[in-house]
Amino acid sequence: TQLLEQSPQFLSIQEGENLTVYCNSSSVFSSLQWYRQEPGEGPVLLVTVVTGGEVKKLKRLTFQFGDARKDSSLHITAAQPGDTGLYLCAGNPLPNFGNEKLTFGTGTRLTIIP
Amino acid sequence: DAGVIQSPRHEVTEMGQEVTLRCKPISGHDYLFWYRQTMMRGLELLIYFNNNVPIDDSGMPEDRFSAKMPNASFSTLKIQPSEPRDSAVYFCASSCTGAGNTIYFGEGSWLTVV
Repeated sequence: TQLLEQSPQFLSIQEGENLTVYCNSSSVFSSLQWYRQEPGEGPVLLVTVVTGGEVKKLKRLTFQFGDARKDSSLHITAAQPGDTGLYLCAGNPLPNFGNEKLTFGTGTRLTIIP
Repeated sequence: DAGVIQSPRHEVTEMGQEVTLRCKPISGHDYLFWYRQTMMRGLELLIYFNNNVPIDDSGMPEDRFSAKMPNASFSTLKIQPSEPRDSAVYFCASSCTGAGNTIYFGEGSWLTVV
């Protein structure tokens, strides 16, 4: 089983601060995805990273895939209350290249205080 | 498009009763997934279908769980008999081959077994 550990598990910060969430594994993934889940809803895909070392930006969110494709980070600049939610990383374990067997991380519950 | 539609949104049932959860995937999607989310275990894949055929049910916890997909627009997840430890949020999701493999989740069915 490819376990994805996320840290921190909970994070509560003031609006305007920066933060980084981590997703780590001992396994190699062909790709890795980040999702945000709001209360009462299903997870929504934010980004997919495929290449080791890849960096993708989505407005104030920056995603990075580790060089060895075993870990990833999500950095949020100037956090807003709308960023509040559960952030999940999900890895696509080798040798799969589709998303049929995604393994989800343990999640980081983020709260942005106005 | 209406997105993935699940019913019921909430169900409370007594131990031993049969529970049936329903899902309508996004039209044209050829993959359908059933996930379960709990605080302790996070988001776990139970089973997935491709073109209405079950491909991998290795995540189904035990024989009390069964899933069917009689046609491209409908799937059910059945628990019989239900137990308190089955209490969780059950998500249905669908995706389309080649379209970036983005998985779209429904809003979930919240099951409580008392």
